[in-house]
Amino acid sequence: ETGVTQSPTHLIKTRGQQVTLRCSSQSGHNTVSWYQQALGQGPQFIFQYYREEENGRGNFPPRFSGLQFPNYSSELNVNALELDDSALYLCASSLDSRGNNYNEQFFGPGTRLTVL
Amino acid sequence: AQSVTQPDIHITVSEGASLELRCNYSYGATPYLFWYVQSPGQGLQLLLKYFSGDTLVQGIKGFEAEFKRSQSSFNLRKPSVHWSDAAEYFCAVGPFSGNTPLVFGKGTRLSVIA
Repeated sequence: ETGVTQSPTHLIKTRGQQVTLRCSSQSGHNTVSWYQQALGQGPQFIFQYYREEENGRGNFPPRFSGLQFPNYSSELNVNALELDDSALYLCASSLDSRGNNYNEQFFGPGTRLTVL
Repeated sequence: AQSVTQPDIHITVSEGASLELRCNYSYGATPYLFWYVQSPGQGLQLLLKYFSGDTLVQGIKGFEAEFKRSQSSFNLRKPSVHWSDAAEYFCAVGPFSGNTPLVFGKGTRLSVIA
């Protein structure tokens, strides 16, 4: 069973640029959630995708957008980068069976984004 | 609104000493509670979780946590700390069902000295 993988590991961008981060779900999982972890903070929920559709969003501006593909991998896109976007970006995959049980999230190692 | 408070930003313990990391949560119903560990440059690894039943839960690496509803707490404990336990620890709360996201505390950094 393959775990959650993310690419790239590290990325350096300048203000105003655009960035795309990628996440491959754990095998058999159909849901991906993205979190932003700023330095010295806990992860904060950005949004979630279930079966290629957005399934919830946190308090992040529209310049944070995402995609989920038929193989359930996912991308996080950030436009017009700001210095405060510097953070570790984590994705987590889970299997949503549309039941009432909590669906455990499995986290990837993260992508460290630095905005200069 | 859900929230998680980890009152201790940084804790230092001696190797072999016992450890307790505090976590308090705010949630309107019985939550799902989690403890994650994050080593430098790594993602999050689940240590243990509480959904229901026995309020004392056992996790990996010798960790345990106790859910106390009356105190809205879910403190993490380990009887004897190893140097490899030095890391950042996050408490998180989630709702009863579905894929609703986790809400994390700000974390407690654990340092272990010889």
